[in-house]
Amino acid sequence: DVVLTQTPSTLSATIGQSVSISCRSSQSLLDSAGNTYLYWYLQRPGQSPQLLIYLVSNLGSGVPNRFSGSGSGTDFTLKISGVEAEDLGVYYCMQATHAPLTFGSGTKLEIK
Amino acid sequence: EVQLVESGEGLVQPGSSMKLSCVASGFTFSNYGMNWIRQAPKKGLEWIALIYYDSSSKYYADSVKGRFTISRDNSKNTLYLEMNSLRSEDTAMYYCAKLGLGADFDYWGQGVMVTVSS
Repeated sequence: DVVLTQTPSTLSATIGQSVSISCRSSQSLLDSAGNTYLYWYLQRPGQSPQLLIYLVSNLGSGVPNRFSGSGSGTDFTLKISGVEAEDLGVYYCMQATHAPLTFGSGTKLEIK
Repeated sequence: EVQLVESGEGLVQPGSSMKLSCVASGFTFSNYGMNWIRQAPKKGLEWIALIYYDSSSKYYADSVKGRFTISRDNSKNTLYLEMNSLRSEDTAMYYCAKLGLGADFDYWGQGVMVTVSS
């Protein structure tokens, strides 16, 4: 199975600070058709996960544009440009290029 | 507004069976693949099953293959997960999730808790 390694595991930020989360894959997530099935989700405390970014860099519906995704191959990054209080929670990357679909172990964002 | 509402929460003994349901609304259910994803207490997310929009294909994680069955009734806008031979390690919050056009999980239910314990 593809292993997704997220760093850091915990992140503490002040309001307005910009932060980045890394997601590294044990295999390239580029498929033979040229697609990269890498996603980012946020799970706020006590809530279900919600989609932030799909296909590496596309913003999910209703997601603020302070969130952005980038990367290719095995290295991917989620950036939050100007953290807001509502951004606290656990961020997960997920890959669907290789079966079975797998998630990273999560990055907990705390607000100072 | 898209809504996914799971039901079937409960406490069961090891070796027993249980069936979860997920009622969908706000979109054309019969046009989309659906998934079950679970989260053990204080742990991360684990995808466990996918069913195509027309039930033509079903896929399972190795951890549940042969014990769990995903199914759907498009006339009732309902997704199911039948769980047999339950183990303590199946204790988790179970979420249903809609498959989006980008092969993502674009909508999730609120989740139901399944506890397997003697």
